[in-house]
Amino acid sequence: AQKVTQAQTEISVVEKEDVTLDCVYETRDTTYYLFWYKQPPSGELVFLIRRNSFDEQNEISGRYSWNFQKSTSSFNFTITASQVVDSAVYFCALSDPSSGSARQLTFGSGTQLTVLP
Amino acid sequence: NAGVTQTPKFRVLKTGQSMTLLCAQDMNHEYMYWYRQDPGMGLRLIHYSVGEGTTAKGEVPDGYNVSRLKKQNFLLGLESAAPSQTSVYFCASSYPNTGFQPQHFGDGTRLSIL
Repeated sequence: AQKVTQAQTEISVVEKEDVTLDCVYETRDTTYYLFWYKQPPSGELVFLIRRNSFDEQNEISGRYSWNFQKSTSSFNFTITASQVVDSAVYFCALSDPSSGSARQLTFGSGTQLTVLP
Repeated sequence: NAGVTQTPKFRVLKTGQSMTLLCAQDMNHEYMYWYRQDPGMGLRLIHYSVGEGTTAKGEVPDGYNVSRLKKQNFLLGLESAAPSQTSVYFCASSYPNTGFQPQHFGDGTRLSIL
């Protein structure tokens, strides 16, 4: 069965520090997709990025970057020069063929990031 | 753009009462989902629908029913609310999903059962 582990329950950093959020996943499938979502204090879920299992290129979007490593089954998320507005709960999620016909997501338990001014 | 709209945003119920949560999307998405979010557990799938008139059970379906009479709407019902159903409920939608399509979420409904 698929599983997503976000071992860091809470992280606190001071503004402008870099921070990495870890995500480790388990799946028996060779084709799968990984996602990151952000949940700010207002509560909505915001899609950040998706990655398919055949694309191991790292991706950078502004201050955000993602490191996908199949060898370690990890899809880590780094925020460079963190800002107070980055404070949120971040979820990693997995979709694979064993998820069912609708490819529903399996979520990790989330990491609460607090950026202090 | 409205995207995915959930009503109500907050509700307090007494044990045994019934209610329906409404999810509406204006993106012409085929697939719709209901999740619940509990502290320390991430989001768990309750029910989902791959098209109008079809529904299926997710990971935690007990105590809930759903209906998808119109493509744009997905209703989640609690027939006899229990305190264990106190949670934040999220609706999501997506295009027909081979796994790559991101799900778009509503803002959530915070439900408390006393």
